[in-house]
Amino acid sequence: AQSVTQLDSQVPVFEEAPVELRCNYSSSVSVYLFWYVQYPNQGLQLLLKYLSGSTLVKGINGFEAEFNKSQTSFHLRKPSVHISDTAEYFCAVSRNSGNTPLVFGKGTRLSVIA
Amino acid sequence: NAGVTQTPKFQVLKTGQSMTLQCAQDMNHEYMSWYRQDPGMGLRLIHYSVGAGITDQGEVPNGYNVSRSTTEDFPLRLLSAAPSQTSVYFCASSYRGHYNSPLHFGNGTRLTVT
Repeated sequence: AQSVTQLDSQVPVFEEAPVELRCNYSSSVSVYLFWYVQYPNQGLQLLLKYLSGSTLVKGINGFEAEFNKSQTSFHLRKPSVHISDTAEYFCAVSRNSGNTPLVFGKGTRLSVIA
Repeated sequence: NAGVTQTPKFQVLKTGQSMTLQCAQDMNHEYMSWYRQDPGMGLRLIHYSVGAGITDQGEVPNGYNVSRSTTEDFPLRLLSAAPSQTSVYFCASSYRGHYNSPLHFGNGTRLTVT
């Protein structure tokens, strides 16, 4: 079975500073990896995904993530955050075969401080 | 294009009552799923469906039933509500599989069981 660990439950950061949200996964098979974002009182929406190929993946709103197979990590980064990036971020994993469901991490709450 | 529609948005139940959370999508998505979101627990999969007539259990299926008689609808039934089922419930869908297309989430149903 797959599992995801998000190492920080809360990350405060000043506006225009860089941020990294950490995600590690566990799986005995090859996986697909995702980052989703949840703004207050809304459902989740996809930020970016890694399926195969280049290990550096770019997503919406200036976010990017790097797949590191040897470290089983998929950390999310943004070079300069805005107030509007305040939200909860979820890392998710699934097996890369068949229509297996997503397993989500517990989430990281990013708070951007003016 | 409404996307994924969940009703009701809020519900209060007494212990032992039953109810159905409704989920409908108008995107002709084959894959649909139900998650519950609890503080510090992230999203946990309850049930999912890869097409009409096909359902399967997720991580936390006990106390919940689902059916998929049409492509559009995927209702979640609480058979006998318990306080442990107090949560925010999200329905999500995708075309053929979440790795090919992103999960589209509804805005959630906030359920309180007293």
